[in-house]
Amino acid sequence: AQKITQTQPGMFVQEKEAVTLDCTYDTSDQSYGLFWYKQPSSGEMIFLIYQGSYDEQNATEGRYSLNFQKARKSANLVISASQLGDSAMYFCAMRDNNQGGKLIFGQGTELSVKP
Amino acid sequence: DTEVTQTPKHLVMGMTNKKSLKCEQHMGHRAMYWYKQKAKKPPELMFVYSYEKLSINESVPSRFSPECPNSSLLNLHLHALQPEDSALYLCASSQDPPQGAGNQPQHFGDGTRLSIL
Repeated sequence: AQKITQTQPGMFVQEKEAVTLDCTYDTSDQSYGLFWYKQPSSGEMIFLIYQGSYDEQNATEGRYSLNFQKARKSANLVISASQLGDSAMYFCAMRDNNQGGKLIFGQGTELSVKP
Repeated sequence: DTEVTQTPKHLVMGMTNKKSLKCEQHMGHRAMYWYKQKAKKPPELMFVYSYEKLSINESVPSRFSPECPNSSLLNLHLHALQPEDSALYLCASSQDPPQGAGNQPQHFGDGTRLSIL
């Protein structure tokens, strides 16, 4: 069975600094994809970035980048130049194509950006 | 603005009431999902619709009844709910059909915050 592990329940970062949110995964599939979502206190789940298992380059989207280390089965999210609006819950997820495409989520990391 | 629209944003209901949650997307997505989320926890999948047909029911109690009238609309009918059903209910859609091996992201709505008195 697929599993996502996020070991940091909460993190603090100073405004304008970079922060790394950890995510490790477990799967026996050869082809898979990893997603990161941001959930502010308002509730909406916002898709941030995607990394495919066969992608040779690490994914980047603006201030978000993914540090993908396939051999270690890790897909850490890096947020550069943190902003106050980055304060939110962050979820790492994997799509389970053997279970109807359901998203398998980690427990999440609550990020707080300090001014 | 999210491309998946959920109404209402907040709902308070008694245990004997009947209400419905509504979700709409106009992105031409083929799959639609209902999730339930408790505070500080990840979302839990409830139902998946693929091409307007129910493809997954994650052993959800019958007091929750999903409906997909057309490819853009997804409803969740609620009846005789319990206090433990109070949660954020999220709707999502994706381009890939759930049975496929694609990896398009699921796009979520803002959610409905449901409180059962």
